[in-house]
Amino acid sequence: KNQVEQSPQSLIILEGKNCTLQCNYTVSPFSNLRWYKQDTGRGPVSLTIMTFSENTKSNGRYTATLDADTKQSSLHITASQLSDSASYICVVSDRGSTLGRLYFGRGTQLTVWP
Amino acid sequence: EADIYQTPRYLVIGTGKKITLECSQTMGHDKMYWYQQDPGMELHLIHYSYGVNSTEKGDLSSESTVSRIRTEHFPLTLESARPSHTSQYLCASSEGLAGTDYNEQFFGPGTRLTVL
Repeated sequence: KNQVEQSPQSLIILEGKNCTLQCNYTVSPFSNLRWYKQDTGRGPVSLTIMTFSENTKSNGRYTATLDADTKQSSLHITASQLSDSASYICVVSDRGSTLGRLYFGRGTQLTVWP
Repeated sequence: EADIYQTPRYLVIGTGKKITLECSQTMGHDKMYWYQQDPGMELHLIHYSYGVNSTEKGDLSSESTVSRIRTEHFPLTLESARPSHTSQYLCASSEGLAGTDYNEQFFGPGTRLTVL
């Protein structure tokens, strides 16, 4: 069964600290993996996309990694800011259907305290 | 900021009412989607469209219906709302099929529906 599991479910850190969010998936055949940021009461916004051949990709203070062998991804946030408080969702796409089906994780709720 | 809009943002109605959630995008995208999201849970696809006059049901069974008469407009209708329909509804669009190649889905801000 294709699944996406994220950990931790929630995380509280102090402003300026770093943190790492985890995503494990069983989706096969794998096409790509995206990390989305969803602010409260808003729709998700894409942060990064990674394909099979990519190991690391950065977007400002966000760095995503992908290990396609172990089917794990992480999102590292450096020097956190209050505006980083949001839900971070891992989304994996498969190649098995014409729709390019997406599998969503439940997200990690990050809270940054001053 | 993506050019995809949803109205209303919040809606509280009584059981049995008919409602329509509006979604429009100005990016000219052919592909549009409706998702349902409960707090702390993953997004579930309930409807999608490949283009004008095309509508398909998603993975999660839903009593709602959709229509696609114009490229930019993809409204969702509930003929008789029930408390079990209480949820957040997110609309999205993409240039190509979401999940294929680098086709990114752009999401609207969502409609928070509460049925009393």
